[in-house]
Amino acid sequence: GAVVSQHPSWVICKSGTSVKIECRSLDFQATTMFWYRQFPKQSLMLMATSNEGSKATYEQGVEKDKFLINHASLTLSTLTVTSAHPEDSSFYICSAHGTSGDNEQFFGPGTRLTVL
Amino acid sequence: DAKTTQPPSMDCAEGRAANLPCNHSTISGNEYVYWYRQIHSQGPQYIIHGLKNNETNEMASLIITEDRKSSTLILPHATLRDTAVYYCIVRASGTYKYIFGTGTRLKVLA
Repeated sequence: GAVVSQHPSWVICKSGTSVKIECRSLDFQATTMFWYRQFPKQSLMLMATSNEGSKATYEQGVEKDKFLINHASLTLSTLTVTSAHPEDSSFYICSAHGTSGDNEQFFGPGTRLTVL
Repeated sequence: DAKTTQPPSMDCAEGRAANLPCNHSTISGNEYVYWYRQIHSQGPQYIIHGLKNNETNEMASLIITEDRKSSTLILPHATLRDTAVYYCIVRASGTYKYIFGTGTRLKVLA
């Protein structure tokens, strides 16, 4: 149980285009999902907290107009990187907060974005 | 928010126990300690978590000191597949957010 998927697993796009990344909780409902980014040889950096049916909460320094988050259902959150630039190239990882147990998070496999 | 401090890297011989320490001296009374690991280019994998008592599951054991200011993750018989970055996390107080530290890069040697 507690499986989180992401799609796509990798994407290459041209500078100036937008890219959408999906995060799904496959066998549980997730009222809260989180989005992280990770640069090579660095730790995960929390970008935003996504709550079903409400606006996402962004961490300081993260541009909400550039990284659009939608959490329209209890099993799906999407991250759209708008007008992507090479510096947005990174590994994007989502996680879902379980509703049972001690609230551990379950992570997706990540999406590698390369902007040319 | 409680911060965690971990050694940047450790080596362990295959078949031996790997003991990964974590300092969380500012932890609050109701904050859990979580351990995850990340194998290259994958999402973090949940290992174990605890509040006060020592915990054990099929993957590892977690030893938390009585004052809760530090903990140790123990992989009893490390294998090459345990080579990864291990993160000790204390969940931000009053939220479900995780703030990742720099983690420990464990290398299991044949």
